[in-house]
Amino acid sequence: DAGVTQSPTHLIKTRGQQVTLRCSPKSGHDTVSWYQQALGQGPQFIFQYYEEEERQRGNFPDRFSGHQFPNYSSELNVNALLLGDSALYLCASTRSRVTEAFFGQGTRLTVV
Amino acid sequence: ELKVEQNPLFLSMQEGKNYTIYCNYSTTSDRLYWYRQDPGKSLESLFVLLSNGAVKQEGRLMASLDTKARLSTLHITAAVHDLSATYFCAGSGGGADGLTFGKGTHLIIQP
Repeated sequence: DAGVTQSPTHLIKTRGQQVTLRCSPKSGHDTVSWYQQALGQGPQFIFQYYEEEERQRGNFPDRFSGHQFPNYSSELNVNALLLGDSALYLCASTRSRVTEAFFGQGTRLTVV
Repeated sequence: ELKVEQNPLFLSMQEGKNYTIYCNYSTTSDRLYWYRQDPGKSLESLFVLLSNGAVKQEGRLMASLDTKARLSTLHITAAVHDLSATYFCAGSGGGADGLTFGKGTHLIIQP
């Protein structure tokens, strides 16, 4: 079992650019959540996808959008990058609401 | 809106000692999680606590949940250096699936 996999592992972007991060959930899991973790802080919930729809959203602007594909994998898109978007982006998967959340290794995004 | 507070935020202790990390939460949470994070790494699930009075133990770590007090604790027994990490608690607010995390407890265990 590969667990939750994310790509890329590291990324450097320029302010104003757009970025797409990818996540493949753990086998058997159908729900994907995205979190942003700034340095020295706890992760913050961005949104969650289930059945290819955004089911819940945290307190993040519309610049943050996502998608879930029929195979349950997911993308996180961030437009008009700001320096403050620099963070570790974590993807977590669950099986509906039943199981505990398993996290991927994260994507470290640096905006310069 | 669920709020989660951990304390202490920073803890330096010696090997062999016992200590407890506290996690208070503001509203009903249908489950409480404890995660470990090593520097530059992702989150490793330690415990999921589902009901009042739940107690789980793994090695030198023991977690408990008191839903009436809205309090969870992570107790470390006879600490060893390998337990040095940042520990997060997280709750799942009523009806919501996204986790709300505390700020984390940065634990350093000195030989």
